[in-house]
Amino acid sequence: EAQVTQNPRYLITVTGKKLTVTCSQNMNHEYMSWYRQDPGLGLRQIYYSMNVEVTDKGDVPEGYKVSRKEKRNFPLILESPSPNQTSLYFCASSLFHRVGNEQFFGPGTRLTVL
Amino acid sequence: TQLLEQSPQFLSIQEGENLTVYCNSSSVFSSLQWYRQEPGEGPVLLVTVVTGGEVKKLKRLTFQFGDARKDSSLHITAAQPGDTGLYLCAGSNAGGTSYGKLTFGQGTILTVHP
Repeated sequence: EAQVTQNPRYLITVTGKKLTVTCSQNMNHEYMSWYRQDPGLGLRQIYYSMNVEVTDKGDVPEGYKVSRKEKRNFPLILESPSPNQTSLYFCASSLFHRVGNEQFFGPGTRLTVL
Repeated sequence: TQLLEQSPQFLSIQEGENLTVYCNSSSVFSSLQWYRQEPGEGPVLLVTVVTGGEVKKLKRLTFQFGDARKDSSLHITAAQPGDTGLYLCAGSNAGGTSYGKLTFGQGTILTVHP
C-alpha cells in the first residue's frame, strides 16, 4: 500500500531532550516536507527536500533540523525541544516539486514538550 | 508573503443542509487545492483547480476557482455526517522563489449532526 509513515505517533518529552521523528514513504517520491499544525494557524512548512541531500528551510525552521540521506526517509530532528514546539507534525511527499502536485501526508505525530 | 483566509472557521449544521466554505487571498495563485482532514489522520487531497473560473464537482461537493485566481469556494449539497472534518485550502505558484510551495489556509472545521 502506497503510504507515508511517521513514528512515533505520540510523544511527550521534556525541554532540552533531543528527539527525532521519523518519516518514510514507499512511493519513490522526490519531494518531501515537514509541516506543523497549530489551532487557527493551519499548516506551516518547517523544512522541505527536493531530493536526496537537497534540503531547504520552509516558513518556520527555527529549532528544527532535517536530513535526506535516502530517498524514502526524511527525519525531523529537534536538538533541544522547547514548549513552543508542542504541536501536531505532519510529513508529506509528492512525486515532484511542481505546482498543483498532490501531496500525500502521513498520519501525524502529536508532540508535547513539558 | 502570500496568505489564504478561510471562512468560516467553524461550521455546525444539520444533516441535509447546504454549506459553502470560502478561501480568499489578495494574491494570485497558479493552482488551488482543497484537502480534507479527519481526526487522527493527515490531510487528503480532494481537488486541484488551475484555471480561473474553473468548476469541478466531486459527488455532492462543488469546487470553484475565482476568475482572477485569488479565491476559491467549496460548496457541499445535502451534507452528511460523513462530511464532518477539517477542510483546508492550499495555494501554490509557478513563479518566484516560492515555486510550488503550498500555502495553507487556517482551515474550516465542519460538523454535520444527524
